[in-house]
Order: sequence, then structure tokens, then C-alpha cells
Amino acid sequence: AQKVTQAQTEISVVEKEDVTLDCVYETRDTTYYLFWYKQPPSGELVFLIRRNSFDEQNEISGRYSWNFQKSTSSFNFTITASQVVDSAVYFCALSEAAYSGAGSYQLTFGKGTKLSVIP
Amino acid sequence: ETGVTQSPTHLIKTRGQQVTLRCSSQSGHNTVSWYQQALGQGPQFIFQYYREEENGRGNFPPRFSGLQFPNYSSELNVNALELDDSALYLCASSAPLAGGGEQFFGPGTRLTVL
Repeated sequence: AQKVTQAQTEISVVEKEDVTLDCVYETRDTTYYLFWYKQPPSGELVFLIRRNSFDEQNEISGRYSWNFQKSTSSFNFTITASQVVDSAVYFCALSEAAYSGAGSYQLTFGKGTKLSVIP
Repeated sequence: ETGVTQSPTHLIKTRGQQVTLRCSSQSGHNTVSWYQQALGQGPQFIFQYYREEENGRGNFPPRFSGLQFPNYSSELNVNALELDDSALYLCASSAPLAGGGEQFFGPGTRLTVL
């Protein structure tokens, strides 16, 4: 069975501070995908990044960066120089690889980390 | 390009009633997945539809059922509503052969069961 653990329930930082959101996952699959989604107060889940299990390169996109370490089953997310607009709930999710034409399979989500950025 | 849309936005029902929620997938996406998100929790997978057939189901009872139409839009039906069914229901669509399970979510339907 797949499992995603986000141990940090809530984090508060002052604007311009860096913050790292932790994600630890469990799966028996050798091929899988990891995701981060952002859920602002409006409720819609916004896709941030996808990583496959064969690609352990870290990725940077603007102020966002992701650190994937297969050895520790972790996929952590860092926001540099946080802004008030970053305030949201962030979810880490896991999916097995989809081999059917469906192109995707069920996502297993963590419970989320609520980030509050204080001006 | 139109994103995933859901209707209605909010819904209030009483225990024992039935409800139908609707979802239109993003243009070019042929797979639709439904998730239930209780307050303060992460989304839980209900089921997925691909080519108008159920293509995977989470740990939800049979009173949760769905449909997918030829235009790839989808419905989620819940019979005999219970108080615990109160949640945000999210629909997500994905493109064919995306391989990586990249799913794009709609704004959700907030269901309240009294």
C-alpha cells in the first residue's frame, strides 16, 4: 500500500524567510511518480511539480525548489524568500506509474502542511 | 484552453437523500478522477473513469457511483447520504498516455449533509 506522510501540520514564517516542507513516502512500486500541489483558500488544487522515480535530480523553478532523495524516500519542497501569496495548504502526493491508455492513476495524498506567511 | 469545471459550487442536502455532482474535463483530457476531501484532510481517491468505464476505485462503498460520457465529462452520484459525506468533492482530468499521472483539478463542489 502507498502512504505519504507530511509531518508538519502547520508552519508560520515571516515574509522573505526560506521554508522547507517535508514529505516522506512509502511504496512497493519500483516506478512511481511524486507530486506537489498547492491549495489556496479558494479550494482548487494547483499542480506544482511532478517527479518520476528514476529522476533524482533536484529541480528549481523560480523561488521553488524540490529535493528528491530515493534513499530516504523523501521529496521535500523549499520556498525561498517566501511571500504572503505563498500562504496555502501544500500537499505531497504519490502515484504508481500508469501503463494503460488512461495516462494516470490514483493519487495518494498526504494530510497537507498549512503554510502561513506573515507580512 | 478551458480548465476543469465542476457544478454546482455548493450543495446542501439532508441525510438519506441522493446527489449528483458534475465535472467537465480539460480539453484533450480523456480520464477523469474523483476525490473526496474532508475538512483538514488530504483528498481521498474515490474512483477514476477512462473510456466511459471505471478504471480503479478507492475504499468507498457502492453507494458512490459514477459515469463518464462520450465527451469525457463525468458525474459522481452518491445515494443514501450520510453526515460523513460532507466534504469538498474534487474532480481531476488527465491527458491520454501522460504516463506520469499528472492530474489537473477543478474548483470542487462543497457538499454539506444535514
